[in-house]
Amino acid sequence: GQNIDQPTEMTATEGAIVQINCTYQTSGFNGLFWYQQHAGEAPTFLSYNVLDGLEEKGRFSSFLSRSKGYSYLLLKELQMKDSASYLCAVRRDSGGYQKVTFGTGTKLQVIP
Amino acid sequence: SQTIHQWPATLVQPVGSPLSLECTVEGTSNPNLYWYRQAAGRGLQLLFYSVGIGQISSEVPQNLSASRPQDRQFILSSKKLLLSDSGFYLCAWKQGANAFFGQGTRLTVV
Repeated sequence: GQNIDQPTEMTATEGAIVQINCTYQTSGFNGLFWYQQHAGEAPTFLSYNVLDGLEEKGRFSSFLSRSKGYSYLLLKELQMKDSASYLCAVRRDSGGYQKVTFGTGTKLQVIP
Repeated sequence: SQTIHQWPATLVQPVGSPLSLECTVEGTSNPNLYWYRQAAGRGLQLLFYSVGIGQISSEVPQNLSASRPQDRQFILSSKKLLLSDSGFYLCAWKQGANAFFGQGTRLTVV
């Protein structure tokens, strides 16, 4: 089986920095995705980490530690439009198949 | 560039009626395709995935089925909808390190 845990909700102030954590337990791990999902819309791809370390893309960065089963998404210079759910998803390879399983998401509210 | 099309965007169906949701991908070949469902206030649940034509794997037992008649086409179906089938259905494709979603279909079973 697999477990993906992330906080249910977070609140942060406009202009600040917020870190959204994700822990996972799975066999056959082969990468971790972060997605942003605004209410009523489909998720949009933010990042994919397969090696340990930090990947930076503008205001968003994603970190992975495979040995600890841990990732975080770092959002800098928060804007009101960053209010959304952030989904952590784990890619697992099993028997030649690639499965992507999602956590329940972290609802981030950015306040003025 | 690769794009993924999913339709319809919204659907209201009575209990017991059939369902067919279609997803097509452009700009890529032999993609891995997925159907997810997101119930209100809950995470994404993987329903089906497909690695090729006619190859479907089901993740959870349910009232739904999937088919892949062509390389870039993935269809989600039901013969008789239940109230519990209501939700936001998302098609996704993955190739290598890229994974993208269609716009989603919001299904309400009444």
